[in-house]
Amino acid sequence: DVQLVQSGAEMKKPGESLTISCKASGYTFASYWIGWVRQRPGKGLDWVGIIYPGNSDTRYSPSVQGQVTISADTSTKTAYLQWSSLQASDTAMYYCGRHERYLYGSGIVYYMDVWGKGTTVTVSS
Amino acid sequence: QSVLTQPPSVSAAPGQKVTISCSGSSSNIGKNYVSWYQQFPGTAPKLLIYDTDKRPSGIPDRFSASKSGTSATLVITGLQTGDEADYYCGSWDSSLSGGVFGGGTKMTVL
Repeated sequence: DVQLVQSGAEMKKPGESLTISCKASGYTFASYWIGWVRQRPGKGLDWVGIIYPGNSDTRYSPSVQGQVTISADTSTKTAYLQWSSLQASDTAMYYCGRHERYLYGSGIVYYMDVWGKGTTVTVSS
Repeated sequence: QSVLTQPPSVSAAPGQKVTISCSGSSSNIGKNYVSWYQQFPGTAPKLLIYDTDKRPSGIPDRFSASKSGTSATLVITGLQTGDEADYYCGSWDSSLSGGVFGGGTKMTVL
């Protein structure tokens, strides 16, 4: 079975650093994009970014570029989302997901077929 | 402000049909494929449709989808109370070089 197991809930203060993780199993980790989606309380889904563990190709949403870092460790089959200085606006549920992304004909096929259960991040003074 | 535009809510009676629209642009839906996700309160989203109109294994054929130009549509027929959920469309945006989602539609079965 393909599974993504995320790290536990976090409570932090503004300005603190944080890394959350997503451990994959049941598939060839290096061969699929993996990434993160944010959902603020009561709001919709926000695409954060993705990484291809096979070559570390990484894409970020313009809204988070420079504020977070996405990385992956192929030896432990784990993806990470890292903040160096949290803000209250980072308070959200963060879902990791396996992403399919490839060119088909003249268009790009893109979807998330496996999702983790989510990690709650609360940033408050 | 989401890149893709969905109606905030839709509703219909049990057994009826509902459609959820998703409007984008030439850099996302107009050029690339569309996916749809179902999310129940307090749970992770689940893939409902991929490649614009394909259903993953286990998704009933009551769920179907299509695309025309820069808009996509999710259709749910034979509505059941268990279909009450939030529905999101998604796509790749070639100008942003990233994924994009709609704002989500809350579907209520009356």
